[in-house]
Amino acid sequence: RKEVEQDPGPFNVPEGATVAFNCTYSNSASQSFFWYRQDCRKEPKLLMSVYSSGNEDGRFTAQLNRASQYISLLIRDSKLSDSATYLCVVNAQGGKLIFGQGTELSVKP
Amino acid sequence: DAGVIQSPRHEVTEMGQEVTLRCKPISGHNSLFWYRQTMMRGLELLIYFNNNVPIDDSGMPEDRFSAKMPNASFSTLKIQPSEPRDSAVYFCASSLRGNSGNTIYFGEGSWLTVV
Repeated sequence: RKEVEQDPGPFNVPEGATVAFNCTYSNSASQSFFWYRQDCRKEPKLLMSVYSSGNEDGRFTAQLNRASQYISLLIRDSKLSDSATYLCVVNAQGGKLIFGQGTELSVKP
Repeated sequence: DAGVIQSPRHEVTEMGQEVTLRCKPISGHNSLFWYRQTMMRGLELLIYFNNNVPIDDSGMPEDRFSAKMPNASFSTLKIQPSEPRDSAVYFCASSLRGNSGNTIYFGEGSWLTVV
C-alpha cells in the first residue's frame, strides 16, 4: 500500500463547478498535512496547509479526518486557472514529506 | 528573495556518463530534499538532509546514486553511471524545519534525459 494515495484523475469539470479531491495516508503518526499545486512542467507549490479543524482559503477548503486518515480538498466556483495537478502531502515522522501521485484537474470553459 | 536554485535546468547525456545535479537552498533553511518525478511513479523522495546531515536515504534507488551536502548552501546529487531509466525531473527543495507545518519550497527542477 502506498503511504499517500489520491483519487486517480483526471477530473474534467466546467467553469463554476465544485470539485472535491480525496487523499488517504497510511502512517497514523503523521504530523502535518498539505495540498500542493503543480502546473504543467513546473515545480510543485504550496496551495494550503490542512489543519485538524478544517480550514478555508477563498474558494478552497481543506479537511482532515485523523480517525479515518483522510484528507480532502474542495474547490468551489472553479476557474480555468485552477487547471493543474493537485498533490496531497503528508509529513511523516522526522520531517519526511511524502507526496501522493497527484490528481489532475482540467477546468473547461 | 532568491528561491531554491538548481542547475543544470536541462541535461541530455549518454548512458554510462556521470551526471551531477546541483542545488542551492533558500538561505537560512536547514532541511534539504531531493525528489525525482516521473509519469509512472510521481514524486519520490530520494534523500533528505537536516543541518547538512543525511537523515533518510532510503529512497535512493541504488548505489549509482549519491548525494552530498558539504555546507548549508550547497548540495549535489550524482548518478554514476547513468542509465536511460534515470530520465526524470529531479527537484531539490528546502525548508526551515521547526516552523509551523514544515512548508517546503521547490526549485524549478533539473530535466534529465539519458539516451
